[in-house]
Amino acid sequence: GDSVTQMEGPVTLSEEAFLTINCTYTATGYPSLFWYVQYPGEGLQLLLKATKADDKGSNKGFEATYRKETTSFHLEKGSVQVSDSAVYFCALKEDTGNQFYFGTGTSLTVIP
Amino acid sequence: NAGVTQTPKFQVLKTGQSMTLQCAQDMNHEYMSWYRQDPGMGLRLIHYSVGAGITDQGEVPNGYNVSRSTTEDFPLRLLSAAPSQTSVYFCASSYSQGWNYEQYFGPGTRLTVT
Repeated sequence: GDSVTQMEGPVTLSEEAFLTINCTYTATGYPSLFWYVQYPGEGLQLLLKATKADDKGSNKGFEATYRKETTSFHLEKGSVQVSDSAVYFCALKEDTGNQFYFGTGTSLTVIP
Repeated sequence: NAGVTQTPKFQVLKTGQSMTLQCAQDMNHEYMSWYRQDPGMGLRLIHYSVGAGITDQGEVPNGYNVSRSTTEDFPLRLLSAAPSQTSVYFCASSYSQGWNYEQYFGPGTRLTVT
């Protein structure tokens, strides 16, 4: 079945460092891909999404490109801030049906 | 729009007690779901619904019941609480038509079973 695998954390970076969080997926069709962010004590919020191969989703300086050839959707940011400290979830939605599949989450801490 | 709302925010139960976690959305979404979030395990789907009167099991349905009598509401019932059900519970909703619609999440209910 469909699934998402993302790099385990926790990840600790200094402010202004470059961030990459790896995400790969397994799907039989052509899913949509998402990154969600969860700040402490809150629910998940959509960060960005991509709906077809080679699409790039971007928001708040974060980017991810839908790579069908490598079945990946890695999250990147060129210069992280303390306010980016959160848990990041990669997810996919299958193109048939309604179910979402989430990765296990990657905790990011940015230190000044 | 209020989006997805959940009540209560916190709850402590004793083993064997029952309770209902409430979830409501005002976006006219057809698809609603319940997840539990546990450390190191991410989000696991408990039950979901594709419309009023239609529900189905997810990955971890045991010990939970759901019903969907209206489009807006999707309550989750714990029949006889167990310590293994200590978790954070999230309700989510989305449009069911179209593969590219994201899910919207509620703020969560933190449940402790002693």
